Amino acid sequence: DADVTQTPRNRITKTGKRIMLECSQTKGHDRMYWYRQDPGLGLRLIYYSFDVKDINKGEISDGYSVSRQAQAKFSLSLESAIPNQTALYFCATSGGPGLSYEQYFGPGTRLTVT
Amino acid sequence: GQQVMQIPQYQHVQEGEDFTTYCNSSTTLSNIQWYKQRPGGHPVFLIQLVKSGEVKKQKRLTFQFGEAKKNSSLHITATQTTDVGTYFCAGPKNTDKLIFGTGTRLQVFP
Repeated sequence: DADVTQTPRNRITKTGKRIMLECSQTKGHDRMYWYRQDPGLGLRLIYYSFDVKDINKGEISDGYSVSRQAQAKFSLSLESAIPNQTALYFCATSGGPGLSYEQYFGPGTRLTVT
Repeated sequence: GQQVMQIPQYQHVQEGEDFTTYCNSSTTLSNIQWYKQRPGGHPVFLIQLVKSGEVKKQKRLTFQFGEAKKNSSLHITATQTTDVGTYFCAGPKNTDKLIFGTGTRLQVFP
């Protein structure tokens, strides 16, 4: 959906480098999420945020940090990238007060750490 | 911890054949969502089921939520090449996040 954008779309970086992935949305949603997708493992939640002052760890937050700069922006950082962080990363948004509302995903960022 | 498993992991079918993917949760779910991810694309929401035993249809797709609200299925009748992709179920954990299933990748041969 064009309503959720991610930059960059592809990135190749070296071990030890700091990387930031950015997500912006125009859907006006409060809730934003970062997921990682690996073959055969589905989508795993890294971090999520329900508003600018709210940040929560997901299943696999080690090695990652996030920043919610505004309602519309949620960034994911890898402070010191390692090869097993090579994956497809998705940002998603949700507008509901509970989990009765669907999530809208961005196009994804393919990250390769060499 | 809470887990959501899907079977099969892969399914190859001839165009026109039916397809079913099954989703099983280790805990009772308040609702279940289904998503489709086309090759090279991102997950797109298909449907949400809330009630025990609920059945919903979208054209050739039939979604079912189990009576115990711990399992669900997606059935596609007479598959088409446009059905190719990975289908994910997802259930809520606590009140604030979704746990996605491992996905079933469907390949349809013309």
